[in-house]
Amino acid sequence: GDSVTQMEGPVTLSEEAFLTINCTYTATGYPSLFWYVQYPGEGLQLLLKATKADDKGSNKGFEATYRKETTSFHLEKGSVQVSDSAVYFCALLSGGYQKVTFGTGTKLQVIP
Amino acid sequence: EPEVTQTPSHQVTQMGQEVILRCVPISNHLYFYWYRQILGQKVEFLVSFYNNEISEKSEIFDDQFSVERPDGSNFTLKIRSTKLEDSAMYFCASGGQGRNTGELFFGEGSRLTVL
Repeated sequence: GDSVTQMEGPVTLSEEAFLTINCTYTATGYPSLFWYVQYPGEGLQLLLKATKADDKGSNKGFEATYRKETTSFHLEKGSVQVSDSAVYFCALLSGGYQKVTFGTGTKLQVIP
Repeated sequence: EPEVTQTPSHQVTQMGQEVILRCVPISNHLYFYWYRQILGQKVEFLVSFYNNEISEKSEIFDDQFSVERPDGSNFTLKIRSTKLEDSAMYFCASGGQGRNTGELFFGEGSRLTVL
């Protein structure tokens, strides 16, 4: 079945550091890929998405590129802020299905 | 901005009791979901609902669980006889005004504590 694997957290960075959170996937066909973010005490929010190979999703300074050859969708940000502290979930939607499958989440803590 | 709302925000119940969690999805969405998240752990798919019927469900969604969309606005999750391991945060989500793009809008969750 479909699955998403994320790097283990927590990840602790100083403000303005570079962020990478790795995500790889296994899916049938050509899935759409997503990053969701969960701030403390809140539900999940869509951060960015990519629907086909080589697409780059971007939002709020975060980017991720859909790499079909490596089945990856790594999240990056050039300069993190304290307000980026949250849990980040990589997710996929397989074509023809309705279930969005989430990874285990990676907690990011940014310290001043 | 339209949002998904869930009630109650927190429910405490005794093992074996029935629980109903309620959700009001975004009004023009067509796909509805329940997910759960056991404290600090992964977000687990329970069930998806489309065109007034369950379209997919996970192994977690056994006979103790049911969903309904009784009046075209509410979307409820019922747990018939709660177990300790049902303690979790339950998230409702909706999406898709036509084709399902996978862009889900989540509510803030209902925390269920089973004693």
